[in-house]
Amino acid sequence: SQQGEEDPQALSIQEGENATMNCSYKTSINNLQWYRQNSGRGLVHLILIRSNEREKHSGRLRVTLDTSKKSSSLLITASRAADTASYFCATLRVDSGYSTLTFGKGTMLLVSP
Amino acid sequence: NAGVMQNPRHLVRRRGQEARLRCSPMKGHSHVYWYRQLPEEGLKFMVYLQKENIIDESGMPKERFSAEFPKEGPSILRIQQVVRGDSAAYFCASSPDTGGYTFGSGTRLTVV
Repeated sequence: SQQGEEDPQALSIQEGENATMNCSYKTSINNLQWYRQNSGRGLVHLILIRSNEREKHSGRLRVTLDTSKKSSSLLITASRAADTASYFCATLRVDSGYSTLTFGKGTMLLVSP
Repeated sequence: NAGVMQNPRHLVRRRGQEARLRCSPMKGHSHVYWYRQLPEEGLKFMVYLQKENIIDESGMPKERFSAEFPKEGPSILRIQQVVRGDSAAYFCASSPDTGGYTFGSGTRLTVV
């Protein structure tokens, strides 16, 4: 079953604005990861937040995690046209001795110059 | 370290043919995962393999799809008698025992 669900499905903003994407999930997790995918390309790992962390920063990225609400958000500040891509959250769960990484459907971000 | 290598990058098959997708994990990684991405969708888990063993194939379609990760050589995802609905991007990821997935660039399968 689909674990992560991103919201919104699509987001269109102007360069310089901030972009916020949300992700909800259903089961307990070990960590949550955000990936980026340019059209027709592979996945790029952006940031990982562990289940015992609440917030993490990396450059212009800020990720929050609320395990009580089973939700996470990804904030991209001062967006650039080059940030245009699809963004996916993925939850990692360890069960029966091995890990499973489950992806949401993604948010398509369009940043206009 | 060349990362996770997938080939071919693009594969075109006619309906009814077989598709073989290859994935060479990162050096030192003994865990391989295959995911499928349909157009405009997220990645869906298909199968998790360790050397010579299938650990979890809960995401694999029951028919026509198979996967292996032999003692020597790459992991292979095999799709027999392909249909139009099999057109998708297939991604492989590998990880070491300590975790941490690294994804390949994917194979884009088009069935005509």
